[in-house]
Amino acid sequence: DGGITQSPKYLFRKEGQNVTLSCEQNLNHDAMYWYRQDPGQGLRLIYYSQIVNDFQKGDIAEGYSVSREKKESFPLTVTSAQKNPTAFYLCASSIDDLGETQYFGPGTRLLVL
Amino acid sequence: GQQVMQIPQYQHVQEGEDFTTYCNSSTTLSNIQWYKQRPGGHPVFLIQLVKSGEVKKQKRLTFQFGEAKKNSSLHITATQTTDVGTYFCARHGGSARQLTFGSGTQLTVLP
Repeated sequence: DGGITQSPKYLFRKEGQNVTLSCEQNLNHDAMYWYRQDPGQGLRLIYYSQIVNDFQKGDIAEGYSVSREKKESFPLTVTSAQKNPTAFYLCASSIDDLGETQYFGPGTRLLVL
Repeated sequence: GQQVMQIPQYQHVQEGEDFTTYCNSSTTLSNIQWYKQRPGGHPVFLIQLVKSGEVKKQKRLTFQFGEAKKNSSLHITATQTTDVGTYFCARHGGSARQLTFGSGTQLTVLP
């Protein structure tokens, strides 16, 4: 897991506000991913990026947006359109986009008040 | 996306007992990966299986890939409290080039 940082660790948001979660990696990985995990459940893919300035929707992209302006950074914005944003958000990266080993950051727990 | 079914969802064992979690797919898998997530932590890669019938061991952990490449298992011998966590299998998503994770098996080891 070394080399991937996420901030903040905990985040509180008022309903109706947009919030941006940070993800940075210094592993020189091309591919980056955002997952959402709800209590007692698995990981669901929100967005992924195979290369700079390119990204694709995952299974649950509605209410989220991303950007990939730099190889090492893949921020996720949780918009007010996301109806149930309270969850644990995990960022991951891999060497390439061929489904190889993914390395996860420590995660951000988002709580909507 | 294409699903992988993982069972059981929860497993409680006494320390020293064995534990097994299973991952099943209706379609042939190109590979299967296993991850462990400690309580409050993030998933950590354990292993990847690629070949039909492949068996790999990591100390007390044994990973198997089925002959038909449609199922996989993780077996832990003589569990310890450090084994506590949720174990996920994940499959390569084919054309989508993404990993699809199973729902996980949450292991509790009672001292």
